[in-house]
Amino acid sequence: AQKITQTQPGMFVQEKEAVTLDCTYDTSDPSYGLFWYKQPSSGEMIFLIYQGSYDQQNATEGRYSLNFQKARKSANLVISASQLGDSAMYFCAMRGFSGNQFYFGTGTSLTVIP
Amino acid sequence: EPEVTQTPSHQVTQMGQEVILRCVPISNHLYFYWYRQILGQKVEFLVSFYNNEISEKSEIFDDQFSVERPDGSNFTLKIRSTKLEDSAMYFCASSPPRQPEAFFGQGTRLTVV
Repeated sequence: AQKITQTQPGMFVQEKEAVTLDCTYDTSDPSYGLFWYKQPSSGEMIFLIYQGSYDQQNATEGRYSLNFQKARKSANLVISASQLGDSAMYFCAMRGFSGNQFYFGTGTSLTVIP
Repeated sequence: EPEVTQTPSHQVTQMGQEVILRCVPISNHLYFYWYRQILGQKVEFLVSFYNNEISEKSEIFDDQFSVERPDGSNFTLKIRSTKLEDSAMYFCASSPPRQPEAFFGQGTRLTVV
């Protein structure tokens, strides 16, 4: 069974500061992928970043980086230099390679304060 | 940039009525999905579709739900007899070949009254 846990229902960060959103996971698949999606108040789900379980390096995409610690089963999202437009709900998700579906966490609501 | 397109953006329907939610996945993608998100809750998997058939479905995807790819571009979710608890945001998503990520549409907000 796959499970994603996001323990921070809400986070606040000052504009231009960095913020870390936590995500832990559990899976029996030997190979899997970890994802972060952003959901602004308009409702769409925007793909941010992907980390494969066998990737040696942590994924980065612009201001987003994924702090992947396989032994701890964690895949935290780091947003550097926060902007007001980063205020949104953020979902961690996992996909095992034995199946197609994505498993989502409960999300973290991020508010960037000017 | 290509994107997944969903129509309508908002649908209001009476309980017991049938609804069809429409999606146009990105053209070279091979895997298609439907997810739903009840207001304020987590995103839940409904069904995945590959090679013109269902490849995986959840417990939520019972006999009142069905999916179709009627032509080369559209992907539809039909709910036969809607219930109040079907009110949710429904997301269509698609994945490209040999890539792990899925790209989501902007969602259809279904309200059952």
